[in-house]
Order: sequence, then structure tokens, then C-alpha cells
Amino acid sequence: SIELNQTPSVSVSPGQTASITCSGDQLGDKYVSWYQQKPGQSPLVVIYQDTKRPSGIPERFSGSNSGNTATLTISVTQAMDEADYYCQTWDSSWVFGGGTKLTVL
Amino acid sequence: EVQLVESGGGLVKPGGSLRVSCAASGFTFSSYNINWVRQAPGKGLEWVSSISPTSSHIYYADSVKGRSTISRDNPKNSVYLHMDSLRAEDTAVYYCARGGPGGQYFDYWGLGTLVTVSS
Repeated sequence: SIELNQTPSVSVSPGQTASITCSGDQLGDKYVSWYQQKPGQSPLVVIYQDTKRPSGIPERFSGSNSGNTATLTISVTQAMDEADYYCQTWDSSWVFGGGTKLTVL
Repeated sequence: EVQLVESGGGLVKPGGSLRVSCAASGFTFSSYNINWVRQAPGKGLEWVSSISPTSSHIYYADSVKGRSTISRDNPKNSVYLHMDSLRAEDTAVYYCARGGPGGQYFDYWGLGTLVTVSS
């Protein structure tokens, strides 16, 4: 199965744009989902099928996927967006990236 | 409202067995894949097992294959994961997660149940 690589940590100032990347061999040929997990909580899907937002997820969350890299973009980042973010795809089985801790400071 | 409620976690000795359960409500249970995803303390997410609506397709991660059995009871809206020969590295919160349309992602998650393997 594919291996998904994420930068362990990303920092962003409130109001700025955060970009979290996920890389894997020919990842652009597969669907990618993104999950947000806050401390002590279950994961929550924020993007699925590369670009789709579930109902209730703010428009500031968007996704893209091309080549070997998928990107989760959070525009006008807020303090409440501080969390761990995991990318995930399906490649003969369900595969997660190692996660990125987003710090808003 | 979709709800997934896990139960059955606890402390078990290495080499022991345990069955965790997931009770679902708020949706047509028999139409969806159900998955188990685990998270070791302080670590990332790891998919463990998946079962299709009629149990015709069952999958396991290599880390649990041969030691685990997933099953479901559609009339009871429940999924089970039976784990044998438990190891310290199986210590984790086990989440039940519904497969989204197409089955390639997880659209609803339970709160999880903690399994601790220790002597």
C-alpha cells in the first residue's frame, strides 16, 4: 500500500492561511480525505474526495490533490482550528498519514 | 442523528482475548460499511478492519490479520471486533467508524473504547 507522509508540525498566525501537505506516490490518482482531531476528541472528517466539505464544515477549509501531493488549506485560520490533521486514502486498504499538529499562535 | 457507541474495552493480559462492540443508530445500518480504526497513546490513526453491509467483504490490517475477527449483526445494528493473542502494541483507543459513500473514507466516528494490554 501507499505510504503517506505529513510534516509533523505547522504553525500559523490567527487570520493567516495554513497549508498542510500530504505526499505519496501518485497520490493525485487517488481520493484523499482529511480529518481534524482535537485533544480528547474523535477524528472529524473536514474534506473528502479531495475537495468536498461535509455539511457543517466551514468554507475556510478546502482541499486539493495533484501529482504526488494533497493539500489541506485553512484560510483565515482561527484559534479553534488548532488540532492534529490526518490525511487518508484508499490503496488496497485504508491508509493514514502520520498526522500534522497545527499550532495557531 | 448518526451515533456510534463503542464498548468492551479494558485491561487484558498479553496473550489474552477481548471483544469490542459498536452499537449504531440514526441511519440504515445494513447499508453501510463499518470499520475499526485504532490510535495508540500519543500516536496517529491506524485502520484495523472493515466489514461490508452483508459481511461479504471483510478486510484486516496486516498488524491484526490472523488474530482478529470482525463481524456484524444487522438486526441488532452492531459490529464486533474479537481480538486474540493480544500484545502490548495493541494498546490503543479503538474507534468504530462508518464508511462514507463509496467506502473509501470515514464519515462518522464513535468516541472510542480503550484497550490496554499489560501484565
